[in-house]
Amino acid sequence: KQEVTQIPAALSVPEGENLVLNCSFTDSAIYNLQWFRQDPGKGLTSLLLIQSSQREQTSGRLNASLDKSSGRSTLYIAASQPGDSATYLCAVRSGANNLFFGTGTRLTVIP
Amino acid sequence: DTEVTQTPKHLVMGMTNKKSLKCEQHMGHRAMYWYKQKAKKPPELMFVYSYEKLSINESVPSRFSPECPNSSLLNLHLHALQPEDSALYLCASSQEWAQGSPLHFGNGTRLTVT
Repeated sequence: KQEVTQIPAALSVPEGENLVLNCSFTDSAIYNLQWFRQDPGKGLTSLLLIQSSQREQTSGRLNASLDKSSGRSTLYIAASQPGDSATYLCAVRSGANNLFFGTGTRLTVIP
Repeated sequence: DTEVTQTPKHLVMGMTNKKSLKCEQHMGHRAMYWYKQKAKKPPELMFVYSYEKLSINESVPSRFSPECPNSSLLNLHLHALQPEDSALYLCASSQEWAQGSPLHFGNGTRLTVT
């Protein structure tokens, strides 16, 4: 069964800093990987989707990379802002077409 | 604003009550999903509907009963729940139940079972 791990579990940075969130998965036979943001008590907002054939995707200050062979993805956030504070989840589509979620990284950006 | 709408936002029910959660999308998506999320945990898949047919049931207890009346609506009927069923219930949809389709989530229903 696919296992998805996110490190670190929590991260606190000063405003303006660039940061990297990590996601690793055990089975490299994936269809795609999706990064989500979740605010407390809210649903999930899709940030970026990377297909298995792609290496990276960019949206504004966000850049996600995928190294399928090593089972790793990173989410890079440039010039962090207090509004970026949230929990970030990566999710991998694999196996019987199921979506496997990581445990999340709780990000706090300090003004 | 999310394009997947869930109602109600909050629900408190007793263990003998019967209630329903509702989910609606008008993006023309043909796959819809129910997830359960406990505090500080990732979402866990419960059910998948593809073209209004139940495609996946992740061994969910029968006190949870899904229904997909049409391609835009997804319901989750609740009966005789336990306190440990208290959680955030998330609905999602995707273009197809296909490998490349990204999921779009609603804001969830916060359920408390007393």
